[in-house]
Amino acid sequence: GAVVSQHPSRVICKSGTSVKIECRSLDFQATTMFWYRQFPKQSLMLMATSNEGSKATYEQGVEKDKFLINHASLTLSTLTVTSAHPEDSSFYICSASMETQYFGPGTRLLVL
Amino acid sequence: EDKVVQSPLSLVVHEGDTVTLNCSYEVTNFRSLLWYKQEKKAPTFLFMLTSSGIEKKSGRLSSILDKKELSSILNITATQTGDSAIYLCAFNAGGTSYGKLTFGQGTILTVHP
Repeated sequence: GAVVSQHPSRVICKSGTSVKIECRSLDFQATTMFWYRQFPKQSLMLMATSNEGSKATYEQGVEKDKFLINHASLTLSTLTVTSAHPEDSSFYICSASMETQYFGPGTRLLVL
Repeated sequence: EDKVVQSPLSLVVHEGDTVTLNCSYEVTNFRSLLWYKQEKKAPTFLFMLTSSGIEKKSGRLSSILDKKELSSILNITATQTGDSAIYLCAFNAGGTSYGKLTFGQGTILTVHP
């Protein structure tokens, strides 16, 4: 199957700082990528759709100024959690849009 | 509103047992239904079912889509401890929502030796 990577796999930061997470499609070009968030013991919730060369589309309730998404190339999308707070602590996962979606390994964010 | 419901929410079995996980959906524009297995990291793809491919099988795992009943099942035969995981069902809508997966709550499967 297709390979999607994420970096970093784990990050701990202080409240108020910004954190950038990278999502890369390694063996195919992805014009669209998706960002999900998963809280403990819950399912995945779609946050936004990342479109190469254009603005991301955010799901209802997701603050676009807090979760900045940039899809600058066909193989890279980034999610920046700005001014992170403890409630932003979660597991963030990206996927690349193919008919069969493949997920990156995820990034565990802990905000102290 | 599109919805995916999985049952049971959790299941505990012993090695060698056969399990059936259920997924029902209510969607306005169905394109495909996908099954994923999630252990400690992100979900790994198992199957995709569409109108033209309603039954899939891989080793001890198999899945069937019932478009009439708007449901799908995932069967695992001769379970092993390595099958312990969360199993997620998701549908992929068509049209302008193509690619955006809506997930069910997941079924936590625990297989004891």
